[in-house]
Amino acid sequence: QLELTQSPSASAPLGASVNLTCSLTSGHSNYAIAWHQQQPDKGPRFLMKLDSDGSLTRGDGIPDRFSGATSGAERYLTISSLQSEDEADYYCQSWGTGIRVFGRGTRLTVL
Amino acid sequence: EVQLVESGGGLVKPGGSLRLSCAASADTFSGYNMHWVRQAPGKGLEWLSSISTTSSYLYYADSVKGRFTISRDNPKKSLFLQLNNLRVEDTAVYYCAGGRYSGSYPLLAYWGQGTRVTVSS
Repeated sequence: QLELTQSPSASAPLGASVNLTCSLTSGHSNYAIAWHQQQPDKGPRFLMKLDSDGSLTRGDGIPDRFSGATSGAERYLTISSLQSEDEADYYCQSWGTGIRVFGRGTRLTVL
Repeated sequence: EVQLVESGGGLVKPGGSLRLSCAASADTFSGYNMHWVRQAPGKGLEWLSSISTTSSYLYYADSVKGRFTISRDNPKKSLFLQLNNLRVEDTAVYYCAGGRYSGSYPLLAYWGQGTRVTVSS
């Protein structure tokens, strides 16, 4: 069964970089995922799709300080030059047969 | 970029029904796979349902299968979700999302601002 695992929280100082991780369940390591950002009291925003080969498709207007990487069943979101508005919940999402699945989200705090 | 605006939420008693709507701003709507996602208070995102561009394919999460029905009207650039037999645990903000395919993956590339559904007696 396809499941996505994310750490509940992360933090990093203003101006620094942070890596968020999304782990795919065994047997699904070749699946693509998407990253979505949800700022407080707002609807989600699509950041990027990340394929198993590391190729990346960013959403409209997403700056390149948001990047992604792949290693096995792990999918990473790297945010560099952290800004205060990056403080948000970040969800990974994938596609199964006839279903879409979200991780539980990581709350990022910018210190 | 397409704008999506949901409407139709409100307060409803358990066992009641609601019909949610999502209006798209762009003519490209007909080329988008569309989705409904909800978020219960203080919780994460939960995918509910997806519909293909011509309504040929409909998918539902187990939690809503048999109770919720997704549909679309491409000339009216609108997406709908009929919610029947509502339960207290269906209380959430409901979002519509959509986008084109990237490879074999229908993206949730555009999101609305959500409409709130409260199920309570």
